[in-house]
Amino acid sequence: AQSVTQLGSHVSVSEGALVLLRCNYSSSVPPYLFWYVQYPNQGLQLLLKYTSAATLVKGINGFEAEFKKSETSFHLTKPSAHMSDAAEYFCAVSEMNRDDKIIFGKGTRLHILP
Amino acid sequence: DTGVSQDPRHKITKRGQNVTFRCDPISEHNRLYWYRQTLGQGPEFLTYFQNEAQLEKSRLLSDRFSAERPKGSFSTLEIQRTEQGDSAMYLCASSRGQFNQPQHFGDGTRLSIL
Repeated sequence: AQSVTQLGSHVSVSEGALVLLRCNYSSSVPPYLFWYVQYPNQGLQLLLKYTSAATLVKGINGFEAEFKKSETSFHLTKPSAHMSDAAEYFCAVSEMNRDDKIIFGKGTRLHILP
Repeated sequence: DTGVSQDPRHKITKRGQNVTFRCDPISEHNRLYWYRQTLGQGPEFLTYFQNEAQLEKSRLLSDRFSAERPKGSFSTLEIQRTEQGDSAMYLCASSRGQFNQPQHFGDGTRLSIL
């Protein structure tokens, strides 16, 4: 069975500050890992995806995430927060080569303070 | 690429009524997925289609739920005898059939049961 745990249902950062959203995964087989963003009343948009190639994955909008197998983590970071980054962020996991079956975390709402 | 389209965006109905939602995937995508998202949670997988074949169904999909994709293009999700617990956002996503292809999400249908 696979699962992800997102630490912190709400995170607040000041505009221009580092964004760090934490995600730990559990998987009995090599995983694919994802970060999605959801703006209010909209669907999810893929930010980035880890597929066992490079452990540091760069995504859209300046976000990146690092796969750390020893820590079973896949934390999302952005060096400098913008007001437009305010949204809900979901970490997700699937089995390798089974990205038709994605398991999502509960989400972290990111608030950007002016 | 016109994106995944869902209709209606909002549905309010009385308990016990039947409701049907429609999803139009991106035209060249042969995989189509349905998810349910309740308040404060991440999306939960319900079912998915490869062309017109329904390949997997979650145990969350009770007998009151049925999904179809008759010609391998648009899909419908019907809920019979709705209950209060069915109130949620129902998300549709589509992807190409090959592995490592991202799922593209629609903006969802928000169902409210009175």
